[in-house]
Amino acid sequence: NAGVTQTPKFQVLKTGQSMTLQCAQDMNHNSMYWYRQDPGMGLRLIYYSASEGTTDKGEVPNGYNVSRLNKREFSLRLESAAPSQTSVYFCASSELRGSGNTIYFGEGSWLTVV
Amino acid sequence: QKEVEQNSGPLSVPEGAIASLNCTYSDRGSQSFFWYRQYSGKSPELIMFIYSNGDKEDGRFTAQLNKASQYVSLLIRDSQPSDSATYLCAVRGSQGNLIFGKGTKLSVKP
Repeated sequence: NAGVTQTPKFQVLKTGQSMTLQCAQDMNHNSMYWYRQDPGMGLRLIYYSASEGTTDKGEVPNGYNVSRLNKREFSLRLESAAPSQTSVYFCASSELRGSGNTIYFGEGSWLTVV
Repeated sequence: QKEVEQNSGPLSVPEGAIASLNCTYSDRGSQSFFWYRQYSGKSPELIMFIYSNGDKEDGRFTAQLNKASQYVSLLIRDSQPSDSATYLCAVRGSQGNLIFGKGTKLSVKP
């Protein structure tokens, strides 16, 4: 059982280049998320998708776009990378269960923009 | 905007001691609370969640919730060096996402 799978794991980009981070989950979850994690800043929500066909901005959406391709896949695109986007990116998915909401994370993608 | 506050640490405890990790939150209407553990270079993994006032125990871990004081804590009994990690407190947001604190780094010394 793979859970949440992200690719690539490591990437170095030059300023101004574009790239897409891919994410897929095999748990049949409706909701998917993209977070970024920076030293001293904790995990911050970039975008989320509550269900297939919907996407919404999180806390730090500027410079990013997302696509919910189907129920399994949720991609994050950097159109013109900037050094400030150097970070660790985590994709996650969840299914609401009563008052709990267990979010499962992928292994992370380490992105460096030079 | 909901906020979650944690002491960044590091918190250092000797092996076998009780480690106490604390978290406060700003939104009195928050219902669900989560503790995640994150080892260096790894992704966060869920330890437990709690949504009722009082204590919830799972093995060596106990989560405590006090909604009146807007306070959540995690106790780790018989701490082991393998418990050394960053512990993230989170509350559920209005869209099902989790809002995280910045984490407390725990170091358990042999």
